[in-house]
Amino acid sequence: SQQGEEDPQALSIQEGENATMNCSYKTSINNLQWYRQNSGRGLVHLILIRSNEREKHSGRLRVTLDTSKKSSSLLITASRAADTASYFCAPTGAGGSYIPTFGRGTSLIVHP
Amino acid sequence: NAGVTQTPKFRVLKTGQSMTLLCAQDMNHEYMYWYRQDPGMGLRLIHYSVGEGTTAKGEVPDGYNVSRLKKQNFLLGLESAAPSQTSVYFCASSMIGQSGEQYFGPGTRLTVT
Repeated sequence: SQQGEEDPQALSIQEGENATMNCSYKTSINNLQWYRQNSGRGLVHLILIRSNEREKHSGRLRVTLDTSKKSSSLLITASRAADTASYFCAPTGAGGSYIPTFGRGTSLIVHP
Repeated sequence: NAGVTQTPKFRVLKTGQSMTLLCAQDMNHEYMYWYRQDPGMGLRLIHYSVGEGTTAKGEVPDGYNVSRLKKQNFLLGLESAAPSQTSVYFCASSMIGQSGEQYFGPGTRLTVT
């Protein structure tokens, strides 16, 4: 299976600061997705970046993808207390392994 | 649209008891998935389905069975519950497997004593 590994495991910042989370994976991908999970809730899709894209923006979110390094990063700018959640990357493999597989996530705490 | 719903939200079982978790989606999605989430382990895929009448094993299928008799429903069964199956179970669906974003249900918290 194609599993992403998020880093760091935990991140604690102050409101207004930027938060950067990284994801590494091992084999070629078709796309990579980022999800957010608020405590006690299901995951919510944030953004999808395809293997031929290098950067994508959505509101305060910026995702980059470096297929040569097999890594992606999620940047949340001007973070808010409401951004407190766990963040997961889900690489979707190329060539038939299309089931996204989730790692352990990054737990982000934004202090007001 | 309700999206993805899961029934029940909470359940406590005794070892050896059986139960079925129900997942329903109203988005006409072809693909459906069952995951379990344990502290520090992330989400692990139990079983999935690529269409009505089909099922396939995921990463941790032992001790679980599934059925997809109707496109909108995906059932997860525990025939003989064990304490190791204490977990939070999430159902998800997607339009297509490859490059399709997944929509998750709210989860079922299961405790096996």
